[in-house]
Amino acid sequence: DSGVTQTPKHLITATGQRVTLRCSPRSGDLSVYWYQQSLDQGLQFLIQYYNGEERAKGNILERFSAQQFPDLHSELNLSSLELGDSALYFCASSETTGHQETQYFGPGTRLLVL
Amino acid sequence: AQSVAQPEDQVNVAEGNPLTVKCTYSVSGNPYLFWYVQYPNRGLQFLLKYITGDNLVKGSYGFEAEFNKSQTSFHLKKPSALVSDSALYFCAFSRGSARQLTFGSGTQLTVLP
Repeated sequence: DSGVTQTPKHLITATGQRVTLRCSPRSGDLSVYWYQQSLDQGLQFLIQYYNGEERAKGNILERFSAQQFPDLHSELNLSSLELGDSALYFCASSETTGHQETQYFGPGTRLLVL
Repeated sequence: AQSVAQPEDQVNVAEGNPLTVKCTYSVSGNPYLFWYVQYPNRGLQFLLKYITGDNLVKGSYGFEAEFNKSQTSFHLKKPSALVSDSALYFCAFSRGSARQLTFGSGTQLTVLP
């Protein structure tokens, strides 16, 4: 158990809908990362927050957004969902943002868009 | 572009035999390299990392990795494989201002009893 929690574990929804994925980092970690794992794209970095502020964006679609709250939990919002958004979404956390930091991953949320 | 490559999609090894999962990197400057493992329906678990110093890095569950600068490789090894080691293994490097991880394509390791 990494100490990173994600809810829900599974999510089934329809095209055009909006969903919210939630992540609670390990106690004391200030940095939260979101990654997407799909069969065709592999594991890709989406976005990172550090102590409530957005730090970096990766291959994140404009239909996707995220935020980190004062209690450091984070939410990833996916809107106008398409079939291709079906994937496993991981959250990871680390204490700070140094290169030497280890990112600890949550169990993921599996999203299926029908 | 900076990247890591895992040249083998699938590696099969007999239980008790040594295992190697290969990773090569193309990263400018000092590379910060990681190995993660993903079991079915589970998240990624951290195994080990190379930051600087000793080229042989020891990690969790008896795994180790050797950083080889001349060959730009960071292969994952274990002296004696277990059936329970069967999983998907990812090599990654840390980059960018956010230190986000960039992953290889993954190698499915199957340990045969």
